[in-house]
Amino acid sequence: SQTIHQWPATLVQPVGSPLSLECTVEGTSNPNLYWYRQAAGRGLQLLFYSVGIGQISSEVPQNLSASRPQDRQFILSSKKLLLSDSGFYLCAWSVLDRERETQYFGPGTRLLVL
Amino acid sequence: DQQVKQNSPSLSVQEGRISILNCDYTNSMFDYFLWYKKYPAEGPTFLISISSIKDKNEDGRFTVFLNKSAKHLSLHIVPSQPGDSAVYFCAASSGTYKYIFGTGTRLKVLA
Repeated sequence: SQTIHQWPATLVQPVGSPLSLECTVEGTSNPNLYWYRQAAGRGLQLLFYSVGIGQISSEVPQNLSASRPQDRQFILSSKKLLLSDSGFYLCAWSVLDRERETQYFGPGTRLLVL
Repeated sequence: DQQVKQNSPSLSVQEGRISILNCDYTNSMFDYFLWYKKYPAEGPTFLISISSIKDKNEDGRFTVFLNKSAKHLSLHIVPSQPGDSAVYFCAASSGTYKYIFGTGTRLKVLA
């Protein structure tokens, strides 16, 4: 069966520090991968998605970036965090299931920027 | 511009009764809709989906209804259980990999 891992679960970082969040998927090959952010009181905002190694599409211009160095690894990064980067970050993968691509989410990383 | 809207931020229902969660969308190109359930500090879990060629899909206690002319979908939970207390997100897509999520509705089922 497929599983998705995210780490760390919780992270407190000072403003201006770098960020690296990692997501890995097991049990599947060539998944579509996604990074979302849930800010307080808001819905899920798609940040990046990837349909293959080295292929990244950015949805929202910001100081975050994503990379996919391996088939089942997706990394979210920042060189300098802002206070507004605080939120709950979710990695997801999708598979052709039922009638369409269905996305399945990881456990999430709670980021607090102080 | 919020293309997928969940106008009720919260809903309280007695155990055993029906919970109805609503979602409205504006983009007529959306043709696939999903509902996710999210507990605090966890990732959303997939509940049920519906294609635009259908107007109803049922899975156990969960039924999703789609009214394309009104651009409205709803999730019915019958009977509601305390374990159903969570935040529910609806999502829509238009033939791409991208989902657009609503802002969520917090359901509280009272014992």
